[in-house]
Amino acid sequence: DGGITQSPKYLFRKEGQNVTLSCEQNLNHDAMYWYRQDPGQGLRLIYYSQIVNDFQKGDIAEGYSVSREKKESFPLTVTSAQKNPTAFYLCASSPVTMNTEAFFGQGTRLTVV
Amino acid sequence: KQEVTQIPAALSVPEGENLVLNCSFTDSAIYNLQWFRQDPGKGLTSLLLIQSSQREQTSGRLNASLDKSSGRSTLYIAASQPGDSATYLCAVDNFNKFYFGSGTKLNVKP
Repeated sequence: DGGITQSPKYLFRKEGQNVTLSCEQNLNHDAMYWYRQDPGQGLRLIYYSQIVNDFQKGDIAEGYSVSREKKESFPLTVTSAQKNPTAFYLCASSPVTMNTEAFFGQGTRLTVV
Repeated sequence: KQEVTQIPAALSVPEGENLVLNCSFTDSAIYNLQWFRQDPGKGLTSLLLIQSSQREQTSGRLNASLDKSSGRSTLYIAASQPGDSATYLCAVDNFNKFYFGSGTKLNVKP
């Protein structure tokens, strides 16, 4: 089936560790996105990429890093510099045209222990 | 920077009621507007996409309207059911960057 796969579903991080969240899509979409969602809040954009080997910072990029080496994959690394990483992370993809529809994965819940 | 607001933040209604969820945005230069449903602990499911040139879209019991010039969209749910209980999010597409409201949490009581 076509879609977006995020893994793992749950992730626990110790203080000072870097962790990487996986996002893979088989929709042949050019654009991919990472969002962070905190309880009772909307989604905030962390990073986005509209083409392989290129990505742009979103509104809350500090403490995060990404790579886009393949069209299908857009991993997000939460670094130790991110002071409050506990959140629900959502990956999305879309075609790069006008009137595009965004599709989302099922999310990864990251907890700092 | 685009700001998206959703009202109300929460809504509790008895089964069978028709209801309206509101979404407003500050920058009218959008490609489209999308309504999503989110169940607890899950990702987002797309409900309706309204292109910038359209005024409304319908899918089953759902109808969404868009007034781009005034920066407003509404999601109308007819004959609500307990299975409609979820959080509803609207998102606007500003040149392939999506901005979200904080959602309306809907509870439909049997």
